[in-house]
Amino acid sequence: AQTVTQSQPEMSVQEAETVTLSCTYDTSESNYYLFWYKQPPSRQMILVIRQEAYKQQNATENRFSVNFQKAAKSFSLKISDSQLGDTAMYFCAFQGSNFGNEKLTFGTGTRLTIIP
Amino acid sequence: DAGVIQSPRHEVTEMGQEVTLRCKPISGHNSLFWYRQTMMRGLELLIYFNNNVPIDDSGMPEDRFSAKMPNASFSTLKIQPSEPRDSAVYFCASSLIRTTNEKLFFGSGTQLSVL
Repeated sequence: AQTVTQSQPEMSVQEAETVTLSCTYDTSESNYYLFWYKQPPSRQMILVIRQEAYKQQNATENRFSVNFQKAAKSFSLKISDSQLGDTAMYFCAFQGSNFGNEKLTFGTGTRLTIIP
Repeated sequence: DAGVIQSPRHEVTEMGQEVTLRCKPISGHNSLFWYRQTMMRGLELLIYFNNNVPIDDSGMPEDRFSAKMPNASFSTLKIQPSEPRDSAVYFCASSLIRTTNEKLFFGSGTQLSVL
């Protein structure tokens, strides 16, 4: 079974600074997908960024980028020029690529607070 | 598209009562997932369906929980009888799983409080 670990329960950073959220995972699969989801106080789950394991290039979405280290099974999220609207819970998630394993397995989350 | 629609948004009930949560996935999606979110356990998968067939229900806590997907546009999660420890946010999500995986789209969740 896959496991996802987020070792930072809470983080805070000043507005406009850069912050990195950590995530590690464990799997025996060779191909899979990794995600970062954001959950603001509205509790809506919002996809931030997605990485396919067979792609070497790190995914980027505007101010959000990942550092994907497949050998180390590490998948960190970097938020540049942080904004007040980035305040939320952030969840790292794993998804297998084999039929029957399409479910997302989530980490326990990191509560990020952006300080004005 | 309206996205994944869940109802009700909030549910307050007394212990022992039956609770039914509803979900309408995005039209055209072939997979549907039920998740439960609590402070203690985070986001847990309860069950998921592919083409209306349950694929993995290993996360369903016990016999008090049941889920159905009678057609591609509707699913229910039922708890009978409900207990205070069932209090949580229940999310439904849908996706179009083809040869390559696609992202999950989540509903707004149902906040369940069992008194």
